[in-house]
Amino acid sequence: DTAVSQTPKYLVTQMGNDKSIKCEQNLGHDTMYWYKQDSKKFLKIMFSYNNKELIINETVPNRFSPKSPDKAHLNLHINSLELGDSAVYFCASSQDRVNQPQHFGDGTRLSIL
Amino acid sequence: SQKIEQNSEALNIQEGKTATLTCNYTNYSPAYLQWYRQDPGRGPVFLLLIRENEKEKRKERLKVTFDTTLKQSLFHITASQPADSATYLCALLNTGNQFYFGTGTSLTVIP
Repeated sequence: DTAVSQTPKYLVTQMGNDKSIKCEQNLGHDTMYWYKQDSKKFLKIMFSYNNKELIINETVPNRFSPKSPDKAHLNLHINSLELGDSAVYFCASSQDRVNQPQHFGDGTRLSIL
Repeated sequence: SQKIEQNSEALNIQEGKTATLTCNYTNYSPAYLQWYRQDPGRGPVFLLLIRENEKEKRKERLKVTFDTTLKQSLFHITASQPADSATYLCALLNTGNQFYFGTGTSLTVIP
């Protein structure tokens, strides 16, 4: 009965590869997010979708592309992975837009070799 | 430049005391401010939300204040317990629906 689940939990891959991280929420929320947490634990928003439409798109390389097939899913695809992409990526959801409490998944730790 | 700073990266207090964490922001005009708790290897968990027109919010042993003049929020945990040990993050919603997290404070409650 996990509220926000993301897979995989760990992802180790080579530089230059393309990878995806999946996120699903069963809370019936309208808005979903992707965050990046770096080695200093700083959490930075990357994208936000409301009812499958992009509403926040912070300055991230266009190698990162979110995909929302329906409002319960927001996947993150990353092309041509670089060393600097190593981080923990968190998915989150909220009932409405960003002024509501957010529910987070437990993160995907991405390590680039 | 815009900044959200939380007091010292780490805070140690004795069990039973009140922990006070600060969140100071510069060059933001937040409509809302939220506090989250994050445990190692887990995602942040929402604790409290306070609006710009609210001075104080309480939930059990937790209290949040919001001073838009000082551009500061204080987060208090009364009668602290070792189980309260975690990293606490403040986050604000700025005008234009921009959402930002602070740098976090690691709290350790010593038995």
